[in-house]
Amino acid sequence: NAGVTQTPKFRVLKTGQSMTLLCAQDMNHEYMYWYRQDPGMGLRLIHYSVGEGTTAKGEVPDGYNVSRLKKQNFLLGLESAAPSQTSVYFCASSYGQGNTDTQYFGPGTRLTVL
Amino acid sequence: GNSVTQMEGPVTLSEEAFLTINCTYTATGYPSLFWYVQYPGEGLQLLLKATKADDKGSNKGFEATYRKETTSFHLEKGSVQVSDSAVYFCALTTDSWGKLQFGAGTQVVVTP
Repeated sequence: NAGVTQTPKFRVLKTGQSMTLLCAQDMNHEYMYWYRQDPGMGLRLIHYSVGEGTTAKGEVPDGYNVSRLKKQNFLLGLESAAPSQTSVYFCASSYGQGNTDTQYFGPGTRLTVL
Repeated sequence: GNSVTQMEGPVTLSEEAFLTINCTYTATGYPSLFWYVQYPGEGLQLLLKATKADDKGSNKGFEATYRKETTSFHLEKGSVQVSDSAVYFCALTTDSWGKLQFGAGTQVVVTP
């Protein structure tokens, strides 16, 4: 049981390049989330999904797109990377039991945009 | 909107000292409250939670009580260990999708 895994662990991009971050969970969770972590700001929600084939915007969605084609995977895309997207990205998942749910986090992806 | 305010760190303590991390919140409706912990180089993991007023969450010697009257959820531990060195995040959610609003995080450093 691997829990929540993220690929890659580290990545360096040049401004304007694109990339996709992959999140996978093996707990049969309904809900999945993408957050970014920046110093002094905690974690902020980018996008989330409440089931296969569904996605919704979070607090800071601009510059990102997501897809949830399979229940176990949640992809985060950057179409044209900018230095402001330098951050640590965390994926999380939960059973989908509402506001008492525990979220389970992946180990993170550290992205640097030059 | 919702917001979470935590005391700034880093908090530096000696082993076996008492730890308190203050957390206050503003929220519409009735939030569920959480403490997550992030050990160096890892993702976040749930430490404890409380889902209604006066509930006490506890785990690994840590405790926090949901105080609706003071809109607070302070984290406490009576005797910290070096292994408790981490960043602690207070968070809340008020909606059925479980979207979390995090505080900025408090780094705790415990020295032998």
